[in-house]
Amino acid sequence: GAVVSQHPSWVICKSGTSVKIECRSLDFQATTMFWYRQFPKQSLMLMATSNEGSKATYEQGVEKDKFLINHASLTLSTLTVTSAHPEDSSFYICSARGDRATNEKLFFGSGTQLSVL
Amino acid sequence: GNSVTQMEGPVTLSEEAFLTINCTYTATGYPSLFWYVQYPGEGLQLLLKATKADDKGSNKGFEATYRKETTSFHLEKGSVQVSDSAVYFCALNTRGYQKVTFGIGTKLQVIP
Repeated sequence: GAVVSQHPSWVICKSGTSVKIECRSLDFQATTMFWYRQFPKQSLMLMATSNEGSKATYEQGVEKDKFLINHASLTLSTLTVTSAHPEDSSFYICSARGDRATNEKLFFGSGTQLSVL
Repeated sequence: GNSVTQMEGPVTLSEEAFLTINCTYTATGYPSLFWYVQYPGEGLQLLLKATKADDKGSNKGFEATYRKETTSFHLEKGSVQVSDSAVYFCALNTRGYQKVTFGIGTKLQVIP
């Protein structure tokens, strides 16, 4: 079946550095990808929606200059956490909406655990 | 706005025990309801869904019934297996609206 590959699965970085997370749809084209964040004991919260070739739409309260999203192709979206701080430590997960061949279902990556020291 | 309230885990059960994971929701309009499962090291996968009141979603022995009167969508399984150990997320979206609202996830651990 359709698979979404997300990596890295975990990353530790120093405060002030930038981290890039990749999300790839394998075997299908994803016109829309979603980025979620989950803090401990909280729900998965939608951060942004990205459509291939256009700017991402960010949810209220999410800083677009801090969380850069690039959806340059139908199979790849990246999330870059710029100038990361300890409060950005969280679990980030992407999902991709499949094309009609996959009945336009949502497929999820396995997530990235980010720890900022 | 939409919200999903889900029981906190972890839930630890012995093999062949009965499972219930509670989920209630608030939503505008007429939501579709989902249960997703995340096995260790994998992405979330759709387990089952129901799109209207009184619908019952079922898959792999799991069931959940869309109860509009109690705004609930509790997940049940009659006899759990060790392989059911995972995190279960209750979720909803409103028709024609592509955002999905998730609960916090409930970790289930089944011991032999």
